[in-house]
Amino acid sequence: ETGVTQSPTHLIKTRGQQVTLRCSSQSGHNTVSWYQQALGQGPQFIFQYYREEENGRGNFPPRFSGLQFPNYSSELNVNALELDDSALYLCASSLVMTSGNTGELFFGEGSRLTVL
Amino acid sequence: RKEVEQDPGPFNVPEGATVAFNCTYSNSASQSFFWYRQDCRKEPKLLMSVYSSGNEDGRFTAQLNRASQYISLLIRDSKLSDSATYLCVVNAPNDYKLSFGAGTTVTVRA
Repeated sequence: ETGVTQSPTHLIKTRGQQVTLRCSSQSGHNTVSWYQQALGQGPQFIFQYYREEENGRGNFPPRFSGLQFPNYSSELNVNALELDDSALYLCASSLVMTSGNTGELFFGEGSRLTVL
Repeated sequence: RKEVEQDPGPFNVPEGATVAFNCTYSNSASQSFFWYRQDCRKEPKLLMSVYSSGNEDGRFTAQLNRASQYISLLIRDSKLSDSATYLCVVNAPNDYKLSFGAGTTVTVRA
């Protein structure tokens, strides 16, 4: 087990609703990244949080937002849900290297979101 | 062009066989390379990092070809437990994101 926990594991929403996904990072890790994995695709980077600030963002609209808390846990919020938001949302914790690169990612088991 | 492209497979091989597959990446400045393994409906897990000189980890061998911008993974003496999707992952310098390919599916049959 990686020590990264996510909740909820499964949820169903309807178009236009809002969702909040939660993640507790592995002990000792200071960075949390969120990825979206659609069926049959690889994970796509949404954003990363380091020291409670967004540290980098992928090609996702502003309705995808997040938070990191002082204990390094994190939330992903998605507003105005669309059908294409149906996916597995993966949280990964890591240590940012002195080079600025991300070290090994330790993923949680994910939150599987279905938008109807 | 996608940042990381992989042959999706599936590669169906018998136990004991050798299977190899590649991925290509578009950013020539990429510095870090990895293979992650993802079992069905599970989270990705790091299989191995890929170093410039090539590296082995038991039955798994990874190679990097910077000139042609591709990475390969070879699995020798395949086991049933090797059945999974293998994700090629690339990290550019000073870039916090990891770029994942769509994965190559390997199925090892008895």
